[in-house]
Amino acid sequence: DAGVIQSPRHEVTEMGQEVTLRCKPISGHNSLFWYRQTMMRGLELLIYFNNNVPIDDSGMPEDRFSAKMPNASFSTLKIQPSEPRDSAVYFCASTREGPYNEQFFGPGTRLTVL
Amino acid sequence: AQSVTQLDSQVPVFEEAPVELRCNYSSSVSVYLFWYVQYPNQGLQLLLKYLSGSTLVKGINGFEAEFNKSQTSFHLRKPSVHISDTAEYFCAVSTGGGNKLTFGTGTQLKVEL
Repeated sequence: DAGVIQSPRHEVTEMGQEVTLRCKPISGHNSLFWYRQTMMRGLELLIYFNNNVPIDDSGMPEDRFSAKMPNASFSTLKIQPSEPRDSAVYFCASTREGPYNEQFFGPGTRLTVL
Repeated sequence: AQSVTQLDSQVPVFEEAPVELRCNYSSSVSVYLFWYVQYPNQGLQLLLKYLSGSTLVKGINGFEAEFNKSQTSFHLRKPSVHISDTAEYFCAVSTGGGNKLTFGTGTQLKVEL
């Protein structure tokens, strides 16, 4: 199994530009999570989906952030417009249905907004 | 709401020495506890988890953790560390409901020769 796949691995953009981060979960997993990691705030859960439906988006920082999961094998996190304070590593994780199953993390996307 | 406190942001230790990374949690309901490890430039990997049963949990790479309900702790231990254990370690808690986890701020373990 290829594991959770994220693209791009690195993204450098200028303030005001739109950024789209992509995630392919492990086949057969039906829960997907988006996290943001920074030195100041640590690892924060932004949003998670169950069976492609957003369950909890309380961690999404503001309206500039949006996430979609059009099918079981693909999800996107979009930032529009981007700001320097959005610079972070963004992780996607997936897990199988059932209580307390392990979350499998992707390698992350390192976003730098200039 | 649940929360996790990792008291030590950095722990330096010499190779082959024992190590303990501390984790305390707060929750008004039953909890399920996890330790994850993050190697440089990688995502997180599960080390071990406590769901129920024996309070001593053994994980990968020789790590173990003990659930202590009275002290609301879930400290991670290894009797003899190796250079390759240098990484950041995260404690996490879940109270169920969709596998949602709350992570601590992490402890950077640095193993030196």
